[in-house]
Formats: sequence, C-alpha cells, structure tokens
Amino acid sequence: EAGVTQSPTHLIKTRGQQATLRCSPISGHTSVYWYQQALGLGLQFLLWYDEGEERNRGNFPPRFSGRQFPNYSSELNVNALELEDSALYLCASSTGPLGYTFGSGTRLTVV
Amino acid sequence: SQKIEQNSEALNIQEGKTATLTCNYTNYSPAYLQWYRQDPGRGPVFLLLIRENEKEKRKERLKVTFDTTLKQSLFHITASQPADSATYLCALIRTGYQKVTFGTGTKLQVIP
Repeated sequence: EAGVTQSPTHLIKTRGQQATLRCSPISGHTSVYWYQQALGLGLQFLLWYDEGEERNRGNFPPRFSGRQFPNYSSELNVNALELEDSALYLCASSTGPLGYTFGSGTRLTVV
Repeated sequence: SQKIEQNSEALNIQEGKTATLTCNYTNYSPAYLQWYRQDPGRGPVFLLLIRENEKEKRKERLKVTFDTTLKQSLFHITASQPADSATYLCALIRTGYQKVTFGTGTKLQVIP
C-alpha cells in the first residue's frame, strides 16, 4: 500500500513569491491534514480537509490556503512568502482518530 | 487552548535500560492520546494510541500509560537500543474533534 506522498521534496523560493505544495493521501483516506514544523519547533496545525471541504484551520494568516480535490489529494498554497515561512511542511491522512500517517514532508526555504 | 508539555531537554540513556518519557497536558481531558516517533527531516510515525478509559497499552517493547487525574501520559521503551534514538511526540485528540494537537517532543538518545 502506498503511503502519503508529498511533492516536491525541497522547494526554494524568494520572499514575496508563492509556493504550492502537494499531497496524495493513502488510498481510501478522505481526510488530509497540513502541519508546519519550523526548525526546533513542534508541529503547528495549519489546515484540515475532509471530503473536499475545509473543516478546520489553525492560527495562520489567510495567505496560507489550500484545497482538496475530488480524488482527495490536496494542495497547500502560501502566498507572499516571508522568511519565517521556512519550515518542513507535513501532510497527513487518516480515516479517524486512530493515528495519522504522515508523508516525508516538503522542506520550504524562503530566501 | 490545550497545552501539551514534554520534556524539552534531551534524554540520554544507556542501551538496554528502560527509557521513560513524560507528556503532561492542561485543560480538557482528551478522548485519545497518541505517541509518534520522528527522525530528523522526516514525518512522524504513529506508534501507539490510548483511549481516555484505558490505563495502559502495550506493543512489543513499548508501553503507554494514561492518568486522566494527573493529566499525564508516560511512554516507556524497554530494553532500549541505539536504533530507538529519535524524537518522540505526544499528541492529543479532543472528544468530538478530529484535529490532533502535538507536543514539541522529547529527543531520546540511546548510548551503546
């Protein structure tokens, strides 16, 4: 069974640009979660999508947005990039509270 | 909001000993408590889940306890090995919610 896949693995952007990160959940999982993990910090909840709808949002500015497609894959968009957006962005999928399966993440570097 | 405290200092133990990691939380009592392992630059890997009405859960060399009175979970690795070296994250799920809130993790180093 394929796990959660994220692309790209690494992304380097200039301040002010936009970044698009992609996630494919495990087959059969309808929920996708996005987390930000800045260096040395814990996982901060960004967004939760289920059945194509945004179900919950963390304490992040509106320039962090995303969507979920009919095949349950998801996209995270970060507009007007700032240096402090540099982090590991993790996507996870699940069918319920019994445990998330995470992808390997996208390392975003803003210069 | 929920606050989760894990020992931010690294835990160094000798190979073969039992490692014990602590997770304390404030505010609401979670419906579920999870433990994850995270290696550098990688996504967390789910290890164990314990429900609010369970006191203890075991899986191979791993044991988790859950004390809702103390608002604390303990995570034990028995007969620790250098391969167990990683950061271990505690995570909580509130009743009726699906979003998981993570602690900052404790880094475990098992010394050969």
